[in-house]
Amino acid sequence: GDSVTQMEGPVTLSEEAFLTINCTYTATGYPSLFWYVQYPGEGLQLLLKATKADDKGSNKGFEATYRKETTSFHLEKGSVQVSDSAVYFCALSFPGTASKLTFGTGTRLQVTL
Amino acid sequence: GAVVSQHPSRVICKSGTSVKIECRSLDFQATTMFWYRQFPKKSLMLMATSNEGSKATYEQGVEKDKFLINHASLTLSTLTVTSAHPEDSSFYICSPSQGSGTEAFFGQGTRLTVV
Repeated sequence: GDSVTQMEGPVTLSEEAFLTINCTYTATGYPSLFWYVQYPGEGLQLLLKATKADDKGSNKGFEATYRKETTSFHLEKGSVQVSDSAVYFCALSFPGTASKLTFGTGTRLQVTL
Repeated sequence: GAVVSQHPSRVICKSGTSVKIECRSLDFQATTMFWYRQFPKKSLMLMATSNEGSKATYEQGVEKDKFLINHASLTLSTLTVTSAHPEDSSFYICSPSQGSGTEAFFGQGTRLTVV
């Protein structure tokens, strides 16, 4: 079946450090790929998405590129802030079922001063 | 984005008791509700899908008699964990949706601990 694999956390970085959170997927067909973020005490929020190969999703300084050849969708940010501390979830879905998602385990990011 | 309210955020209950989790979509009508759960260090797994006014569809391995889902209105759905056991301890998240092809929104999640 379809699955998403994320790097285990927690990831601890100093402010202004470069962030990469790895995500790879296994799926039959061509899914859409997402990154969701969950800040403390809040629900998951869509951070960015990409719907086809080579698409780059970006938002709030975060980027991820849909790499079909490596089945990956790694999340990157050039300079993290303390306010980026949260749990990040990689997910996939298929056209027509956009609300039904297959998630990774989530990666907790802690950014310190 | 849409406003979703899920509560309680945390609950501790004794084995054998039942726990009800509520999920409300405050500013949109949710024709579909997804319920997910997450065990420690595991992925968020879809438990069931319900459409307003219809019986829920459960994923393989999820006991429908243990996890009762009610979706009687377009703004409220409940998940009741009946006769809870310690192995039901998990993080439960609701995701109301306006339908296939639309963006997913999520509640804040409920951390259930059964002692």
